[in-house]
Amino acid sequence: SQTIHQWPATLVQPVGSPLSLECTVEGTSNPNLYWYRQAAGRGLQLLFYSVGIGQISSEVPQNLSASRPQDRQFILSSKKLLLSDSGFYLCAWRVVETQYFGPGTRLLVL
Amino acid sequence: QKEVEQDPGPLSVPEGAIVSLNCTYSNSAFQYFMWYRQYSRKGPELLMYTYSSGNKEDGRFTAQVDKSSKYISLFIRDSQPSDSATYLCAMSAGSGNTGKLIFGQGTTLQVKP
Repeated sequence: SQTIHQWPATLVQPVGSPLSLECTVEGTSNPNLYWYRQAAGRGLQLLFYSVGIGQISSEVPQNLSASRPQDRQFILSSKKLLLSDSGFYLCAWRVVETQYFGPGTRLLVL
Repeated sequence: QKEVEQDPGPLSVPEGAIVSLNCTYSNSAFQYFMWYRQYSRKGPELLMYTYSSGNKEDGRFTAQVDKSSKYISLFIRDSQPSDSATYLCAMSAGSGNTGKLIFGQGTTLQVKP
């Protein structure tokens, strides 16, 4: 069966520090992968998606970047975090015309 | 105008009530429709998935799509306190290679015992 993992589950980081969030999927090959951010009480904002290794599409200009070094690994990064980067970060993978989400990483930037 | 509109609520109902959650959309090309349930501090889970118009039933949940009105609904019968969550609608036109979904803002539901 297919599963999706995200870590860490929770992260508290100071402003200006770097960030690396990891997402891995199991049980499938060459999946489309997505990074979303969800601010408190808000909907889902698509940040990046990837249709294959090394292929990254950015949806909004921002302080973040994404990479896909392996088929089933998707990484969200930042060189210097801003207060506005706080939120709930979700990774998802595509199954036909739907998406399945990971458990999320809660990021608090202080 | 947003592509998908969803009343954020909150919606509060007594246990056992029938709940109706709705989304409207503007893009007539949408043909895949989903409902996700998200508990606090958890990732969204896919609840219902329908293609094109019509109804789909799964236990206490019924998803309804009216493409002529650009309106989708999720009905929950005999609501339980465990149904308390945020419900997100999502849809797509079947966007080929990208698989991108358009989400509503989510409706927060509270079912009181």
